[in-house]
Amino acid sequence: NAGVTQTPKFRILKIGQSMTLQCAQDMNHNYMYWYRQDPGMGLKLIYYSVGAGITDKGEVPNGYNVSRSTTEDFPLRLELAAPSQTSVYFCASSSPDRNTYEQYFGPGTRLTVT
Amino acid sequence: AQSVAQPEDQVNVAEGNPLTVKCTYSVSGNPYLFWYVQYPNRGLQFLLKYITGDNLVKGSYGFEAEFNKSQTSFHLKKPSALVSDSALYFCAVRAVNTNAGKSTFGDGTTLTVKP
Repeated sequence: NAGVTQTPKFRILKIGQSMTLQCAQDMNHNYMYWYRQDPGMGLKLIYYSVGAGITDKGEVPNGYNVSRSTTEDFPLRLELAAPSQTSVYFCASSSPDRNTYEQYFGPGTRLTVT
Repeated sequence: AQSVAQPEDQVNVAEGNPLTVKCTYSVSGNPYLFWYVQYPNRGLQFLLKYITGDNLVKGSYGFEAEFNKSQTSFHLKKPSALVSDSALYFCAVRAVNTNAGKSTFGDGTTLTVKP
């Protein structure tokens, strides 16, 4: 099992550019999440999904979009990048099975917008 | 609404001494509680969880945590700290009936274990 994978590991964007952060999991988890982590802060939920075709906003969705066409993949799209989106982005997944309520995290994507 | 407080930004202990990282929570109804650890430039890794049953839960790497319902706390403990335990620790909570298993994370506590 690869678990949760994310690409790219690092990216520098210019203001106004767009990009897609990729996330995939091979654990057949229904639930997937995107978080951002700013220095000295906890995790803020951007978007989440309960299954293919179903997504919803988290705490800080502005400037982002997601899609979930398959159980495995949950890409995060940044449109018109702004310096405020400089952060580390983590994708995570979990299962509704009470034996695996914990979330499994990817290694993160470090994004700088200049 | 659900929330988590980790009152200490930083905890320093000497190697071999016991360590405690504090966490208090607020949630409607019964909670599910989690601890995660983050090493530099890595994603979060699950350490342990309280779902139901025994108030004292044991997890990876010798860590344990005690669920205290009356004090709404879930402090992380280890009897003898190692230098390799130095990392950023996050407490998380979700209510039993939370949609999509969404957890709320604390701001994290940096644990430094000195030789």
